[in-house]
Order: sequence, then C-alpha cells, then structure tokens
Amino acid sequence: AQKITQTQPGMFVQEKEAVTLDCTYDTSDPSYGLFWYKQPSSGEMIFLIYQGSYDQQNATEGRYSLNFQKARKSANLVISASQLGDSAMYFCAMREGWYGGATNKLIFGTGTLLAVQP
Amino acid sequence: SQTIHQWPATLVQPVGSPLSLECTVEGTSNPNLYWYRQAAGRGLQLLFYSVGIGQISSEVPQNLSASRPQDRQFILSSKKLLLSDSGFYLCAWSVEGTPNEKLFFGSGTQLSVL
Repeated sequence: AQKITQTQPGMFVQEKEAVTLDCTYDTSDPSYGLFWYKQPSSGEMIFLIYQGSYDQQNATEGRYSLNFQKARKSANLVISASQLGDSAMYFCAMREGWYGGATNKLIFGTGTLLAVQP
Repeated sequence: SQTIHQWPATLVQPVGSPLSLECTVEGTSNPNLYWYRQAAGRGLQLLFYSVGIGQISSEVPQNLSASRPQDRQFILSSKKLLLSDSGFYLCAWSVEGTPNEKLFFGSGTQLSVL
C-alpha cells in the first residue's frame, strides 16, 4: 500500500501568492516523522521542513510551514509569498519509527511540480 | 562541515555493460548510507541502505548491487545493465540519533542505458 500520497502532479501559483501542496500518509506506527524536500531542475534534493508525530505545533521554516493534521493523516506544505525560484518539484516523505530504528529510511511520494508565474 | 560527493554526474551506457557509481561522505563517521533511484517524472525509490561497513540491505529485487568497502564509501554496481536501469540515482547519508534526522543528498547521477 502506498504510504505517501501526493495527489497534485502539478501546480501553478502567481508570484507573491501563497500555495499549498498536499500530502497524505498512511502508517500504523505512532512515532513517525514527515519531511518535505525541494528538487530544482538541477536534480539536487534540498531539505525544507520537518514535522514529528508528537510535535504539538506546526513546523515553520521561513516562508515554509507545514499544516499538520494528525487525525486526517495529512502534512501539507504551505509556501507563502511565492518566488520565481520556488519553481521546482516538491516531495513529501515519511520515516516510521522514532529515530528510524537503525536505518532512518525515508519513503517518498511521487512529487508535485510547482511553477511560479510572474 | 559534512559533504557528500557523487560521481559521475551523467553516464550513458549500452545495454549489457557493467556499472559502477561511487559515493563518498566527508566530515562524519559511521553514517547511514543510501542509494535512491528516481525514474523520469516519479518519486524516489529506495534501493539499498547500509548502517556499517559490509552491511547492505536491499529494498527491492533488481539487477543492481551495492557495497560499502569503507566507512564513508558507498558503491552501486551492476554486472549487466538493462534498459530499465535508466534513471536518476541519488546517494544520501544520515547520522542516527536525532528525531528530526534528515537525509543529505548528493548531486545525483543521470544514467541512460541505450
């Protein structure tokens, strides 16, 4: 069963506007971590933000925030004040188990391609 | 500071030829190491991970193998490449111990098997 689902293959947003990228996950482990990565056209994977399953507050990192709804098993990424440089592929990922056990395996979704328009 | 090096950046290989992709990490000891593959327009698939020298775990059956001859060196290999091995290969590392532990990725290798 797919554990990370990103239902938006592509999104458009106007420069300076906010955009929400959806991510839902499936796990029976009460301890897990959720991550968002950005992949520009160069191919590198850039870490953006992290949310732990026991965190009481939504994570924020600059213009990035994570809308964590535990009961709904969703971890949507919100980018405020979009910039042209935000155009990239965005991946949601999950790690099951606190400290990841001995492996820290991340399972990735299929990604959302974001295009910021001037 | 820690850095990860992955090479080559691009590679074009004929079907049936061997493969060797190398990844090295600097500035840390005993990292967890990973090989991911990304097919065109798709997400990342974990291929192998290693928690120590000589310790390799395979996530999916495939035509590839991995080795870790040194603490900070991770090698992805194949004896005979298939067309389906084409893709973008990413090496990554992490250090176990913190809850918000993230993966740090190399710059990737674009492999085209023709």
